Amino acid sequence: KNQVEQSPQSLIILEGKNCTLQCNYTVSPFSNLRWYKQDTGRGPVSLTIMTFSENTKSNGRYTATLDADTKQSSLHITASQLSDSASYICVVSDSGTYKYIFGTGTRLKVLA
Amino acid sequence: GAVVSQHPSWVICKSGTSVKIECRSLDFQATTMFWYRQFPKQSLMLMATSNEGSKATYEQGVEKDKFLINHASLTLSTLTVTSAHPEDSSFYICSARGASGGRTDTQYFGPGTRLTVL
Repeated sequence: KNQVEQSPQSLIILEGKNCTLQCNYTVSPFSNLRWYKQDTGRGPVSLTIMTFSENTKSNGRYTATLDADTKQSSLHITASQLSDSASYICVVSDSGTYKYIFGTGTRLKVLA
Repeated sequence: GAVVSQHPSWVICKSGTSVKIECRSLDFQATTMFWYRQFPKQSLMLMATSNEGSKATYEQGVEKDKFLINHASLTLSTLTVTSAHPEDSSFYICSARGASGGRTDTQYFGPGTRLTVL
C-alpha cells in the first residue's frame, strides 16, 4: 500500500535554531517527492520538488534531501524564524496514476 | 503564474442547507481539478477528482450525492455540499492540474474554504 509517513508529528524549537523533518515513503512507482508548507487556515505552498535522480534541492533556508534507495527524505530548516511556524507536508507522486500521496505532516512551532 | 483561487474563503450555514464552493484556475487551463478535505491537525484527504466535461471520480467512502462536483469549464470547478450537517464542517481545499510547465502531475492548491455548519 502506498504510504508516506513523517516524523516527528510535532516539534517546538527556538528562533534561530535549525531543525530537520523526516519523511519515509513506500510509494511505487515513484515519480517525485515534494515538500509543502501549510500555514493554519491556508492552502499548501510548494517548497521543493525532487525527482528520482535528485539528491538535494534548496529553496532559501529550506533544504530537502532525497535517498531514493532507502525511500527517505528530509527537510532541513536553517536559522528558523517565527514565520516558519506551520505544518510541513511531504507528498509523493505516483507515476502510474499521478496521484499525490500525502504524509501525515509535521507541525512546527518556532518560539521567540 | 499558476494561481488557484477559491470562493468563499469561509462560510457559515445552517444545518440542512446547501453550500457551493468555487475553485478557479486564474492563469492556466486546468484539465483536472481535485477536491480535498482537511480536519484539524490532519493532512489533506482526497475526496474526488474531476476532469473538465466529464463526471467526477469519487474516493471510497465519499458520498457523491452529498458532495456534488461540477467541472464545466477549464478554469472552474464547483463543490456543492448538499443538506449540510455539522459533521461536514471542515476545511475544503481544491487543486488544479494542467499541462503547463511540462510536469503533468503538478497540482496547484487553492487557499481553502472553511465551512462551518451550525
